[in-house]
Amino acid sequence: DTGVSQNPRHKITKRGQNVTFRCDPISEHNRLYWYRQTLGQGPEFLTYFQNEAQLEKSRLLSDRFSAERPKGSFSTLEIQRTEQGDSAMYLCASSLSSGAHTQYFGPGTRLTVL
Amino acid sequence: GESVGLHLPTLSVQEGDNSIINCAYSNSASDYFIWYKQESGKGPQFIIDIRSNMDKRQGQRVTVLLNKTVKHLSLQIAATQPGDSAVYFCAETRSINAGKSTFGDGTTLTVKP
Repeated sequence: DTGVSQNPRHKITKRGQNVTFRCDPISEHNRLYWYRQTLGQGPEFLTYFQNEAQLEKSRLLSDRFSAERPKGSFSTLEIQRTEQGDSAMYLCASSLSSGAHTQYFGPGTRLTVL
Repeated sequence: GESVGLHLPTLSVQEGDNSIINCAYSNSASDYFIWYKQESGKGPQFIIDIRSNMDKRQGQRVTVLLNKTVKHLSLQIAATQPGDSAVYFCAETRSINAGKSTFGDGTTLTVKP
């Protein structure tokens, strides 16, 4: 399968713990996006990278959140000191620079903060 | 502010009928409108898009219509099948936002056999 992959698929953690998610985009895609989706809602943009550069961050991305894409391939999203309100599905998508509106999503990581 | 929304949260159709899912948007500066399908436990899947300078675009069993006058977008699915049951989202992007998409809240389509 050469689509976008995300790990882990599910994560249960206790409030105050740190968690890290990984996204592997489609190999030739230079853009990578992170979204958050809560039940019944559409995905909300968090941040995106072009190659290794993080070019935009949403105001939803508080200082407890950090994302990296060190070599322009896979990306990680870390949440420090998790809160119950962080419980959501975290989606990763990738695209080419040209035709960036055509994004291919991974299956997501579902985070539950107890 | 910008928003993208769908008129109905749920839609139930009989297998074989045509489905129409609607979406209203507020930002006239949007360059592309995209429809996604999301099945349970999966990420959104791209279905079809339409550029803002077009009125209609057809794919396999799907047609997207764009009415810029009233800022309305629709997705038509012909001969709806049980496998079409999912949540459908419309989204908009603007080139200046480098592909960042703003999503609506989704319509759950249920196809009855």
